[in-house]
Amino acid sequence: GAVVSQHPSWVICKSGTSVKIECRSLDFQATTMFWYRQFPKQSLMLMATSNEGSKATYEQGVEKDKFLINHASLTLSTLTVTSAHPEDSSFYICSASGGVRYEQYFGPGTRLTVT
Amino acid sequence: QKEVEQNSGPLSVPEGAIASLNCTYSDRVSQSFFWYRQYSGKSPELIMSIYSNGDKEDGRFTAQLNKASQYVSLLIRDSQPSDSATYLCAVNRGGSARQLTFGSGTQLTVLP
Repeated sequence: GAVVSQHPSWVICKSGTSVKIECRSLDFQATTMFWYRQFPKQSLMLMATSNEGSKATYEQGVEKDKFLINHASLTLSTLTVTSAHPEDSSFYICSASGGVRYEQYFGPGTRLTVT
Repeated sequence: QKEVEQNSGPLSVPEGAIASLNCTYSDRVSQSFFWYRQYSGKSPELIMSIYSNGDKEDGRFTAQLNKASQYVSLLIRDSQPSDSATYLCAVNRGGSARQLTFGSGTQLTVLP
């Protein structure tokens, strides 16, 4: 299957700082990438959808100025959590989709802890 | 009514048994259907995709789709303790949008 990498796998930062998470599709061109957040024992929550070269589309309730998404190439998308606060601590997962089918392939996730 | 519904479980089956996971969806125009497996603390992993009515088999897994009943299921034969995970049903309505709508997942435990 397709491989999606995510970096870093975990990060601890102080409140008020910014954190950038990278998502890469390693063996296919991802026309669309998705960013999810998942709290313990809860369902995946879609945060935003990004198409290569376009502005991301954010889900209702997700602050676009706080969660900056860039999808500059067919293999790379980044999520920057700006001015992080403890309530932003969560498991952030990206997925990538491309080609004629609609499968999404997930990265391994980034566990963010804000102290 | 939720767009994609799954029994949350937990579902427990003994090792070697068949585990049956069910999913219903509300959008009749949905075109693509997927099953993901998510181990605790890990990200989801695609295990099956199905696009047309009927059965699709891959190893110990069989996906079944019935568009008329808006129903998709996953059967796991010869269940193993390593199959213990949360199984997510996901649906795409087709067209240009690639978003998936996920069910809340069914937690499966296979007892040794």
